[in-house]
Amino acid sequence: DTGVSQNPRHKITKRGQNVTFRCDPISEHNRLYWYRQTLGQGPEFLTYFQNEAQLEKSRLLSDRFSAERPKGSFSTLEIQRTEQGDSAMYLCASSLARGQGNNEQFFGPGTRLTVL
Amino acid sequence: DAKTTQPPSMDCAEGRAANLPCNHSTISGNEYVYWYRQIHSQGPQYIIHGLKNNETNEMASLIITEDRKSSTLILPHATLRDTAVYYCIVRLFSGGYNKLIFGAGTRLAVHP
Repeated sequence: DTGVSQNPRHKITKRGQNVTFRCDPISEHNRLYWYRQTLGQGPEFLTYFQNEAQLEKSRLLSDRFSAERPKGSFSTLEIQRTEQGDSAMYLCASSLARGQGNNEQFFGPGTRLTVL
Repeated sequence: DAKTTQPPSMDCAEGRAANLPCNHSTISGNEYVYWYRQIHSQGPQYIIHGLKNNETNEMASLIITEDRKSSTLILPHATLRDTAVYYCIVRLFSGGYNKLIFGAGTRLAVHP
């Protein structure tokens, strides 16, 4: 257990439905990342927050995707009008900004989304 | 970030050393080599990182060639629990954030 939690762990939905995932990072970590991982591939970066500010979004993050981190603590990732191609593992990671030293990312267990 | 090349799969006998290679021939002078691993159904886990000197921690050792174009992650006494996908990542190290760019990694199978 890294201290990063994600809920739900599994989500099955029908095409066209909206889904929302939650990530709770390690409490003192001010940086939060979302990644997506499809079968047999490494994780792909989606977006990054420093505190409550969303500072970078990947081109993978289409306009059907939105992420928030309203108080700089937990984050949500919403997918609207889901498509079968959205089926993947959605991973959240957090890290602590430090001037020196390793700023390794700690990953949660992921939310596996299946779109039927 | 520089691109990395890893073999898709490797085998190792339990109790033996596992040596996982990584090529990063386009690495620049201020880029670090990071290793993460991902055990089945879990999120990736940080293992170790280095710039040009060899590094060792409680999990593994990292050997970086003098020209920094390749590196080897060494698990000195592999156990069945080390079966995982291992990712070699080259990235800038700074106080600022850096997204991780994962390749396909090396799938290590440790067998009895």
